[in-house]
Amino acid sequence: DSGVTQTPKHLITATGQRVTLRCSPRSGDLSVYWYQQSLDQGLQFLIQYYNGEERAKGNILERFSAQQFPDLHSELNLSSLELGDSALYFCASSVVAGSGNTIYFGEGSWLTVV
Amino acid sequence: GDSVTQMEGPVTLSEEAFLTINCTYTATGYPSLFWYVQYPGEGLQLLLKATKADDKGSNKGFEATYRKETTSFHLEKGSVQVSDSAVYFCALIAGGSQGNLIFGKGTKLSVKP
Repeated sequence: DSGVTQTPKHLITATGQRVTLRCSPRSGDLSVYWYQQSLDQGLQFLIQYYNGEERAKGNILERFSAQQFPDLHSELNLSSLELGDSALYFCASSVVAGSGNTIYFGEGSWLTVV
Repeated sequence: GDSVTQMEGPVTLSEEAFLTINCTYTATGYPSLFWYVQYPGEGLQLLLKATKADDKGSNKGFEATYRKETTSFHLEKGSVQVSDSAVYFCALIAGGSQGNLIFGKGTKLSVKP
């Protein structure tokens, strides 16, 4: 158990809908990351927050957004869903931001868009 | 840009065989290097890490040495078990970055009894 908690574990929704994935980082971790894992794209970095502020952006679509709240939990919002958004979405956390980090992953949220 | 290249899988071995999974990287500055493992139906687990040249990371019988001269971080295990069957990901955090991981495509390992 990494200490990173993600909900829901599984989610099935229809095209065009909007979903919210939730993440609680490890106790004491200030930095939260979101990754998408799909068969064709592999593991893609989406976005990073540090202590409530956006720190880095990767290959995140405009239909997707995220935020980190004052209690440090984070949410990833996916809207106007398409079949191609079906993937495993990971949240991860680390104590600080920067290259000396160790990043710990949650078990992921499986999203299926039908 | 920064990137990680892993050997293509799948890799199929017999129990107690020697394992090597090759990983090379391209990065500016001095990256930190990682191996993560994903067991079937599970999330990503950190297997080992190395943060500077010539460091050796090790865990659960797996080892990898940070080789700056060859920009490599190959994963090795002397004697694999059926329980090692999983997908292995090499990754880096670029020096001077905000700390996000850049992953290779993953190598699926199957160990047969």
